[in-house]
Amino acid sequence: EPEVTQTPSHQVTQMGQEVILRCVPISNHLYFYWYRQILGQKVEFLVSFYNNEISEKSEIFDDQFSVERPDGSNFTLKIRSTKLEDSAMYFCASHGRGLNTEAFFGQGTRLTVV
Amino acid sequence: AQSVTQLGSHVSVSEGALVLLRCNYSSSVPPYLFWYVQYPNQGLQLLLKYTTGATLVKGINGFEAEFKKSETSFHLTKPSAHMSDADEYFCAVYRDTGRRALTFGSGTRLQVQP
Repeated sequence: EPEVTQTPSHQVTQMGQEVILRCVPISNHLYFYWYRQILGQKVEFLVSFYNNEISEKSEIFDDQFSVERPDGSNFTLKIRSTKLEDSAMYFCASHGRGLNTEAFFGQGTRLTVV
Repeated sequence: AQSVTQLGSHVSVSEGALVLLRCNYSSSVPPYLFWYVQYPNQGLQLLLKYTTGATLVKGINGFEAEFKKSETSFHLTKPSAHMSDADEYFCAVYRDTGRRALTFGSGTRLQVQP
């Protein structure tokens, strides 16, 4: 069964450092997302990406965040200068064409900023 | 923007008892509704979804949910709880009409007592 894969599964970084979280969406999907879940809280939408550009972003997705699809398979989330409050589980998801299809989620990357 | 409310952050049932997890949405148009389960330290897996058509939808692991427009609800049920059902469950809806990004409820952690 096709799946969304994320690397690394865990990342520890020092405050102020840049991190890149990587995702390989399902190959024939067209819509890509990043969500985050701060420990003990709900899953929050960050950004959606379609046709090589951001199609929607939340208020959380400020200038320190960026996304990229550098090749035909990877989808990355970059945090330029990490803050303690960026510590969270980050989920990548991808979605097929129709609105009646569902998003498939990766297993997540747990980011810890120290 | 759409929103969802999950009543009860924790629900405890006995093994073999009925499971009922509540979800209400805010929407002026028929929404697309989803229930996801989050296994420990893992990503989100789709349990079931309502898009159009039959209002009673069946999902994996014996779960089902009924879309009730008059009550703006999409409660998740299972006739007989099993110990392996003890996880966290999230109700979700598309953020905006025609958009695929999801807004999640705050989650309900299901405990199953032997």
